[in-house]
Formats: sequence, structure tokens, C-alpha cells
Amino acid sequence: AQSVTQPDIHITVSEGASLELRCNYSYGATPYLFWYVQSPGQGLQLLLKYFSGDTLVQGIKGFEAEFKRSQSSFNLRKPSVHWSDAAEYFCAVGGQGGKLIFGQGTELSVKP
Amino acid sequence: GAVVSQHPSRVICKSGTSVKIECRSLDFQATTMFWYRQFPKQSLMLMATSNEGSKATYEQGVEKDKFLINHASLTLSTLTVTSAHPEDSSFYICSVKGGAQYQETQYFGPGTRLLVL
Repeated sequence: AQSVTQPDIHITVSEGASLELRCNYSYGATPYLFWYVQSPGQGLQLLLKYFSGDTLVQGIKGFEAEFKRSQSSFNLRKPSVHWSDAAEYFCAVGGQGGKLIFGQGTELSVKP
Repeated sequence: GAVVSQHPSRVICKSGTSVKIECRSLDFQATTMFWYRQFPKQSLMLMATSNEGSKATYEQGVEKDKFLINHASLTLSTLTVTSAHPEDSSFYICSVKGGAQYQETQYFGPGTRLLVL
């Protein structure tokens, strides 16, 4: 069955430090992969997506993610975190009919 | 990306009343929209897929008679929570599936907070 796992429920990093949020997926075919960010009380904003081609994907707000087929992973990274990055981050894989299968989410806190 | 709006942003209603939530695709015609429900500190749960001009497809466990979905035009889908009860209180989010120009990506509305008293 298709699934997405985000192993870290909550991560705290210091402002200016690097960030990596983990995402592992289970999907039979070549996956469509997404990272979304959600601020409190808001909808989801697309950060980046992978469909095919270059496995290192650049997104908005300085984020990037790398697709590693051998590890079934699509980890999100940012070299220097800003206080405004504090939010909930969701990894998702595109399923049948365009549906999205979401991970449980990772809450990011940023220390000053 | 696509721009999606939802109305209202929050609503409080009495138990037993019905509430309608609108989801609009503002800058392109969407044949497919999705409705999600999200509880605090949890991920999104897909409720149904809404296709323009046809009946919605509901996920297992979602009561279609309670959550009525109408996708009457290519820019508007509505979710009506009928005879709402306190357990229906939640955050409801819609999304629009972009067409080829958006590589089939889903874009989300800002959400509607429903509180049933």
C-alpha cells in the first residue's frame, strides 16, 4: 500500500542553522513527491515537487529536496533557517486519480 | 501556482444546523477539487474528490449524506455539512488539482474553521 512516513514529529533548530526534514515513501511506481508547509490556521503552501529528471529539486523560500530512489526518501533541506520558517511541514506522494497521500507532518520550531 | 479561495474562513453554528463552505479556483478552470478535514496537530484526511458535473467520490468512512459536495462549475465546489454536531468541528481545507499547465499539482485553499456548539 502507498504510504508516507515522516519520522520526526517535532524538530527544533536554532536560527541560522541548517535543517533537514526526513520523508520516506512506499509507492509501487515512480512517485510524484511533494513538500507543503502549513502555518497555524492556514492552508498548505507548495514548497517544491518532484516528478522526474534531476533528483535535486529547488523550491521556494530557499528550500531544496533530494529524491533518492534507493532509499525511498525525499528529504527536505535548507542551509540556514529563519524564524519565519517555523511551521508544520508535510511530505506527500501523488497517488491514483491525483490524490495525495500525506505523511503525519513535522512541526518545526526555531530558537532565536 | 493556482490561487484558491475558501469562504467563510471561520464559522460558528448551533448543533443541528447546516453549514455551507465554498471553494473557488480563482485563476483557472478546475475539473477536479478535493476536500480534506484536519484535526488539531494531525495530518490532512481526504474526505472526497469532487469532479465538475458529476457526483463526488467519497473516501471510505465518510458519510456522503452528511457531507454534501456539489461541483457545479469549473471554478466552484461547495461542501455542506448537514445537521452539524460538535464532533463535526474541525478545519476543512479544499484543494484544486491543476491541469497540465500545473503538472497536475494540488493547490490548497486557506481553510475553513468550523465550530459547532
